[in-house]
Amino acid sequence: DQQVKQNSPSLSVQEGRISILNCDYTNSMFDYFLWYKKYPAEGPTFLISISSIKDKNEDGRFTVFLNKSAKHLSLHIVPSQPGDSAVYFCAASVRAQKLVFGQGTRLTINP
Amino acid sequence: NAGVTQTPKFRVLKTGQSMTLLCAQDMNHEYMYWYRQDPGMGLRLIHYSVGEGTTAKGEVPDGYNVSRLKKQNFLLGLESAAPSQTSVYFCASRGPGLGSFSEQFFGPGTRLTVL
Repeated sequence: DQQVKQNSPSLSVQEGRISILNCDYTNSMFDYFLWYKKYPAEGPTFLISISSIKDKNEDGRFTVFLNKSAKHLSLHIVPSQPGDSAVYFCAASVRAQKLVFGQGTRLTINP
Repeated sequence: NAGVTQTPKFRVLKTGQSMTLLCAQDMNHEYMYWYRQDPGMGLRLIHYSVGEGTTAKGEVPDGYNVSRLKKQNFLLGLESAAPSQTSVYFCASRGPGLGSFSEQFFGPGTRLTVL
């Protein structure tokens, strides 16, 4: 039973436009959500996070939105840049101890 | 700081062989984790440790053992490798606390092929 799901394996966006990556979860006990970015042949790197007591968190070009009633979170990247091309994983945790990851979405930014 | 390092980077094993993957972190982190990444399945937790001398099972622990004899090191062992263990293995660590401190720092990965 996949507790965290990213239903879009890939996404292609034009440079300068907005990229929206989506993630759904089933476990209502999750209280912390994170997005990681991964380049080929490297480990994932932390991008942005949000606590379940908030519904939005911004960091520069990156914004994460959390809709607890829908058990849905999304990552917005605006404007999208070529260096944003990577695989993005959403992850969720209960009391921060263990992370449950989604399957990942490969984002490609086209010039 | 080197952060999280993993040894080796690549390895090819024959079915039935054993090996140990080493993870080292220089951030004085309490928590350490081993994940495997397979196509279309994201990262799945194998085992983790909440401190020196402690280990616990994750989502997919079968066929693996771990040890945390020193705070900075977390070893992942395969006693009898199987083709199903062909994967990319990632180690991660994090410090104590909640909120932003729940961020995990990942190593570069070990690509393991079992023939």
